[in-house]
Amino acid sequence: GAVVSQHPSWVICKSGTSVKIECRSLDFQATTMFWYRQFPKQSLMLMATSNEGSKATYEQGVEKDKFLINHASLTLSTLTVTSAHPEDSSFYICSAREIGQATYEQYFGPGTRLTVT
Amino acid sequence: AQKVTQAQTEISVVEKEDVTLDCVYETRDTTYYLFWYKQPPSGELVFLIRRNSFDEQNEISGRYSWNFQKSTSSFNFTITASQVVDSAVYFCAFFNQGGKLIFGQGTELSVKP
Repeated sequence: GAVVSQHPSWVICKSGTSVKIECRSLDFQATTMFWYRQFPKQSLMLMATSNEGSKATYEQGVEKDKFLINHASLTLSTLTVTSAHPEDSSFYICSAREIGQATYEQYFGPGTRLTVT
Repeated sequence: AQKVTQAQTEISVVEKEDVTLDCVYETRDTTYYLFWYKQPPSGELVFLIRRNSFDEQNEISGRYSWNFQKSTSSFNFTITASQVVDSAVYFCAFFNQGGKLIFGQGTELSVKP
């Protein structure tokens, strides 16, 4: 149980285009989902927290207009990188918290590797 | 400020050696949780252990063991008789009262045959 999927696993896009990454909780409902970014050889940094049906809360320094997050249902959150640039190339990981679970519980997705050329 | 420090950026050992990965955290919270995750080359995070601040008992799971000491704010991870499959990046993480998971910088472990 508690499986989180991400789609796509990897994506290459051209500079200036937008790319959408999906995060799905497959066997549970998630009121809260988190988006992390990981640059090569670096740690995971929380980008934003999204709650179903409400606006995402972004961490300091993360541009909300560039990284659009939508959490329209209890099983799906999407991250859209708008007008992507090479510096946005990174590994994006989502996690989800199941309804009713302790606040410290998070199930991680497998990650999406984004390369912007 | 809350912070997790993994001072060892890279560790290289030969198979069957024991290895300890250090983790030191800073917080003023009295209630918190500590985690260890493994990130193999595929990138997917693998949960290893969670500890709450009120439970200082050491834990052993097979070849893995964890030593939690509040007095030194440390939560160290030891792999006994390391194997090549243990090669990965290991992250220590801290869950704070604000509901966020804060990761350390990670330690890249390389186990050579």
